[in-house]
Amino acid sequence: QTALTQPPSASGSPGQSVTISCTGTGSDNHVSWFQQHPGAAPKLLIYDVVKRPSGVPDRFSGSKSANTASLTVSGLQVDDEGDYYCCSYLGSGTYVFGSGTKVSVL
Amino acid sequence: QVQLVQSGAEVKKPGASVKVSCQTSGYNFDDYYIHWVRQAPGQGLEWMGQIKPDGGYKVYLQGRLTLTRDTSTATVYMDLSSLRPEDTAIYYCARDGQHYGDSEYWGQGTLVTVSS
Repeated sequence: QTALTQPPSASGSPGQSVTISCTGTGSDNHVSWFQQHPGAAPKLLIYDVVKRPSGVPDRFSGSKSANTASLTVSGLQVDDEGDYYCCSYLGSGTYVFGSGTKVSVL
Repeated sequence: QVQLVQSGAEVKKPGASVKVSCQTSGYNFDDYYIHWVRQAPGQGLEWMGQIKPDGGYKVYLQGRLTLTRDTSTATVYMDLSSLRPEDTAIYYCARDGQHYGDSEYWGQGTLVTVSS
């Protein structure tokens, strides 16, 4: 299975927005996004393209067009630094993660 | 509260097998899929497979992987055989919710090192 394509890095200043793309997703709307800080397990930010679990700030938003999903982080904060991964359901019970994007807050 | 607690770190030689456990609590074990995800040092996440504890529905990507469950202890097991040095990674279990891929709950991870 080939990982979904994400840009290796993205950055922004505090208060700005950053958008991360994820290319190669399936045709349905089963795309999730995870944040991972060093040494920690991933944290779910978005599922079903646009839905946020309770407790995730609305600064995190998702979208999808054709086979590319996107995650936008608005009002960047220092704590938003970390690695971000998309994940897509491929059917037949299988999933694939994206290659990961390191977000830096300058 | 929902908790997933994994077994401790393992060091194995090439060709051996490893079994990592993921003990769950705080919810009805039968109702939610458990996924296994691994992360090699300095690398990204790799989805490996999933299991539904109630009827044992399983999907996994490679033939060396076996997922089992013990309903009496609410524990899911991941068995990886014929280990290679490139299997060195942190292995995570994660629980889905009601939707595809909404893995909100994760274990703490188990480091498996494969070295001669």
